[in-house]
Amino acid sequence: GQQLNQSPQSMFIQEGEDVSMNCTSSSIFNTWLWYKQDPGEGPVLLIALYKAGELTSNGRLTAQFGITRKDSFLNISASIPSDVGIYFCAGQGAQKLVFGQGTRLTINP
Amino acid sequence: EAGVAQSPRYKIIEKRQSVAFWCNPISGHATLYWYQQILGQGPKLLIQFQNNGVVDDSQLPKDRFSAERLKGVDSTLKIQPAKLEDSAVYLCASSPYNEQFFGPGTRLTVL
Repeated sequence: GQQLNQSPQSMFIQEGEDVSMNCTSSSIFNTWLWYKQDPGEGPVLLIALYKAGELTSNGRLTAQFGITRKDSFLNISASIPSDVGIYFCAGQGAQKLVFGQGTRLTINP
Repeated sequence: EAGVAQSPRYKIIEKRQSVAFWCNPISGHATLYWYQQILGQGPKLLIQFQNNGVVDDSQLPKDRFSAERLKGVDSTLKIQPAKLEDSAVYLCASSPYNEQFFGPGTRLTVL
């Protein structure tokens, strides 16, 4: 089946630092999505990317849909304590989502 | 607007017992999904409904898992009998077309 490789698996950073994580796939997707999941909650959509090469921002978050349609990255600038959580990439085809394994972000104040 | 509701939030059972989870999607959302999220992994799709019909259940272990959405609104997911490896968070999501909105999940522990 389709698989997404997300890296890094975990990150430990200082407050104020920038963060970068990425996702690669062996399959092409029509849509790339980035979610954040807090403990005890379901994933919440952060950014959706619909076109190859697209670069989209949402506040301090920026994400890009790779030209090959097989990869995507998410950057978080000037991290703050509430950015702590698990970030998931997801590729979407035919209304079906395939998730990466997640990147756990920990921030030291 | 109310989000996706799930109950119970937590459930602890012994192996070989049965368990059922309930999901109430966002009003008007035609598509409903059940995902299994094992600790340390991303959610994995179990089944997708479009109204009350099954669109995709290719990853549902049908020997022990079943799901229904009889009136095209609420849905239940059942496991019978449960195994230790079924310990996970079971997430329900609904979608009006493309974007999926997730509920808080039910954390199942099988002892």
